[in-house]
Amino acid sequence: GAVVSQHPSRVICKSGTSVKIECRSLDFQATTMFWYRQFPKQSLMLMATSNEGSKATYEQGVEKDKFLINHASLTLSTLTVTSAHPEDSSFYICSARIYGRVRSYNEQFFGPGTRLTVL
Amino acid sequence: AQSVTQPDIHITVSEGASLELRCNYSYGATPYLFWYVQSPGQGLQLLLKYFSGDTLVQGIKGFEAEFKRSQSSFNLRKPSVHWSDAAEYFCAVGKGSQGNLIFGKGTKLSVKP
Repeated sequence: GAVVSQHPSRVICKSGTSVKIECRSLDFQATTMFWYRQFPKQSLMLMATSNEGSKATYEQGVEKDKFLINHASLTLSTLTVTSAHPEDSSFYICSARIYGRVRSYNEQFFGPGTRLTVL
Repeated sequence: AQSVTQPDIHITVSEGASLELRCNYSYGATPYLFWYVQSPGQGLQLLLKYFSGDTLVQGIKGFEAEFKRSQSSFNLRKPSVHWSDAAEYFCAVGKGSQGNLIFGKGTKLSVKP
């Protein structure tokens, strides 16, 4: 149980285009989903927290107009990288927290990640 | 501010040898602590977690971790390492009402035949 999927797993795009990454909780409802960015050989950096039906909360230094997050349902959150540039190339990972599981308040289940390459 | 420190960037052990990966945290209250493993190009898989109770926590794949409040540590251990354990290991502490996780910088584990 508690499986999170991401699509696509890998995407290559031209500079200036927009790319949408989907994060789905397959067998549970997730009121909260998180988006991380990971540079090579580095740790995960939280970009934003996404709550179903409300605006995402972005971490300091993350451009909310560039990284658009939508959490339209309890099983789907999307991250759109707008007007992508080569410096946006990275590994993007989403995670989800199970709705209603209070005791595991902080536990997150992670997707397999999306490798974005901007040419 | 909350933080997680993994002092070892890279550790190499021989297959069959024991393993201990260090993790120290800084947190004002009782922490929620996690260890995740990441294989190359993959997402994170939860190895084990500590919320409360018994300070020695058993996880998957033969891993265990011990919470030591006096030392602010949550070290990960395995008695006998397998070649398939080669990966990146992340310690994390949960914080905040949103359940955010703060990750350490990770420890890369290499396993010698």
